[in-house]
Amino acid sequence: DGGITQSPKYLFRKEGQNVTLSCEQNLNHDAMYWYRQDPGQGLRLIYYSQIVNDFQKGDIAEGYSVSREKKESFPLTVTSAQKNPTAFYLCASSKGRERPDGELFFGEGSRLTVL
Amino acid sequence: AQSVTQLGSHVSVSEGALVLLRCNYSSSVPPYLFWYVQYPNQGLQLLLKYTSAATLVKGINGFEAEFKKSETSFHLTKPSAHMSDAAEYFCAVSDPQAGTALIFGKGTTLSVSS
Repeated sequence: DGGITQSPKYLFRKEGQNVTLSCEQNLNHDAMYWYRQDPGQGLRLIYYSQIVNDFQKGDIAEGYSVSREKKESFPLTVTSAQKNPTAFYLCASSKGRERPDGELFFGEGSRLTVL
Repeated sequence: AQSVTQLGSHVSVSEGALVLLRCNYSSSVPPYLFWYVQYPNQGLQLLLKYTSAATLVKGINGFEAEFKKSETSFHLTKPSAHMSDAAEYFCAVSDPQAGTALIFGKGTTLSVSS
């Protein structure tokens, strides 16, 4: 089945540690995205990538980093510079510029808790 | 930048009653608009989308939405609520300044009572 796989589903880390969230898609989509979800705040865009080896900052990129070395993979690193990293993180993909009206397909999310 | 406003963070209805979830958008260009649903601790699932083909859009699970340019609205409706409709609903708009990313509203939690 085609889809988006995020791992791990739950993650606990100590304050000051970097953590990397995995996102893999087998939909052959060009574009991938990372959103952060907090209660009552909806989804906020962290980073997005329209094509391999290229990515852009979203509204809340500070304290996060990404890479896009392969079409199917878009890992997100939450660094120690992120002031409040505890949140639910959602990865998504779409056909991108090939289909600008296309919808985003989402993974099941990763819940990060910083102790 | 584009934005969406969802009026009402929480809506409660009885089973069988009309569901109306409100969404207003701001856009300087004709937008693409979407409604997504999220169940607890899961990702988002597309309900329906507006891409200028027709102003009344039908989606899955009996939901529909009407694009009204004069009101900059894209409200989501369902004639008769079911218990399984209880979830969080998000309205989203395309934003050319963010490539093909979507800008999401803050969400509306729908509760359905028997």
